[in-house]
Amino acid sequence: KNQVEQSPQSLIILEGKNCTLQCNYTVSPFSNLRWYKQDTGRGPVSLTIMTFSENTKSNGRYTATLDADTKQSSLHITASQLSDSASYICVVSQFSSYKLIFGSGTRLLVRP
Amino acid sequence: DGGITQSPKYLFRKEGQNVTLSCEQNLNHDAMYWYRQDPGQGLRLIYYSQIVNDFQKGDIAEGYSVSREKKESFPLTVTSAQKNPTAFYLCASSGDGTANSPLHFGNGTRLTVT
Repeated sequence: KNQVEQSPQSLIILEGKNCTLQCNYTVSPFSNLRWYKQDTGRGPVSLTIMTFSENTKSNGRYTATLDADTKQSSLHITASQLSDSASYICVVSQFSSYKLIFGSGTRLLVRP
Repeated sequence: DGGITQSPKYLFRKEGQNVTLSCEQNLNHDAMYWYRQDPGQGLRLIYYSQIVNDFQKGDIAEGYSVSREKKESFPLTVTSAQKNPTAFYLCASSGDGTANSPLHFGNGTRLTVT
């Protein structure tokens, strides 16, 4: 069964600290993996998209990694800010398909 | 600014009434999607349209209907047949609907049915 699992479900960190969010998937055939940021009551916004051949991609303080062999991805946030408080969603796309498989997200709270 | 506009942001309806959620995009994208988001769950696909006048059911289409008469517009009707319609509904679009095409989301409509 095609699935995307994220951990932890929720996370609280202090402003300025780093954190890493995890994503494991069992989607096949794999096309790409995306990370989205979703603020409360808003639509998700794309952070990164990685294909099979890419193992790291950065977007400012956000760095995503992909290990296609172990089917794992991580999103590392450096020097967190209060505005990083949001849900982070991992999404995997199947090759030759319009279908996306969404994880249930990690809720991050950054405290002052 | 190009983007996706969903309206209204909040919608309240009585049980048994049909309700239509609006989604308009000015990104000139071919493909449009409707997703449902419930607490603690991943987004689930309701309907998908790759071109005008064509659409396909997603994983949870029962109780919903759509139309795609114009490229820019993809309204979703939540019918009285939908057993549990209270949810956050997200509209999205992508250039051509292929696997590598980035997905752009609107800011959602929160529907409450009592």
